[in-house]
Amino acid sequence: EVQLVESGGGLVQPGESLRLSCAASGFTFSSYWMFWVRQAPGKGLEWVANIRQDGSEKNYVDSVKGRFTISRDNAKNSFYLQMNSLRAEDTAIYYCITLSRAIKWCHWGQGTQVTVSS
Amino acid sequence: VVLTQSPLSLPVTLGQPASISCRPSQSLVDSAGNTFLSWFQQRPGQSPRRLIYMVSNRDSGVPDRFSGSGSGTNFTLKISRMEADDVAIYYCMQGKYWPWTFGQGTKVEIK
Repeated sequence: EVQLVESGGGLVQPGESLRLSCAASGFTFSSYWMFWVRQAPGKGLEWVANIRQDGSEKNYVDSVKGRFTISRDNAKNSFYLQMNSLRAEDTAIYYCITLSRAIKWCHWGQGTQVTVSS
Repeated sequence: VVLTQSPLSLPVTLGQPASISCRPSQSLVDSAGNTFLSWFQQRPGQSPRRLIYMVSNRDSGVPDRFSGSGSGTNFTLKISRMEADDVAIYYCMQGKYWPWTFGQGTKVEIK
């Protein structure tokens, strides 16, 4: 069974940092792109970042460029989102996802809450 | 790429059909002829789940009462017969241009 388990969320003040983790199991982790998506309270869904299978390509939404860094450790079947200089508008549930655009493959974690507030 | 969904709210009688429209601001067809338009369902309090990929392909475990269609800049998700389990917010999503984007969401509820 495919499982994605996020951790690392919490309450922080503006300007502080958090590191989210996503532990994957039940599939060949190193074979898939991995993604982070967030959902602000009562709002829609937003793609945040993605990372290629070997970590050689990473992409970010403009609003987090220069502040967030996505990474992965295939030996640990895990990937991460380092979030620096957090802002109130980063407050959201953060989901980790494995997905293929073109085959029956799409799995979401349960999400981890990030709250940025003074 | 902006995806415009309509309607944003859709009350549906149990057993009746439902239809949601999604209009991208530009073509989602790549050079190989693939169209990266998907549909997601988010039930209350749950993580989203993909229903449809590449316009009309159902994901594993998705009931066949869900179907996707369309081309160009006009796509549709249809529920052939509304069930109580289908109460959710439905999002279309484009996966051609990064950052991938979702539509605003359509809230489907029981009438």
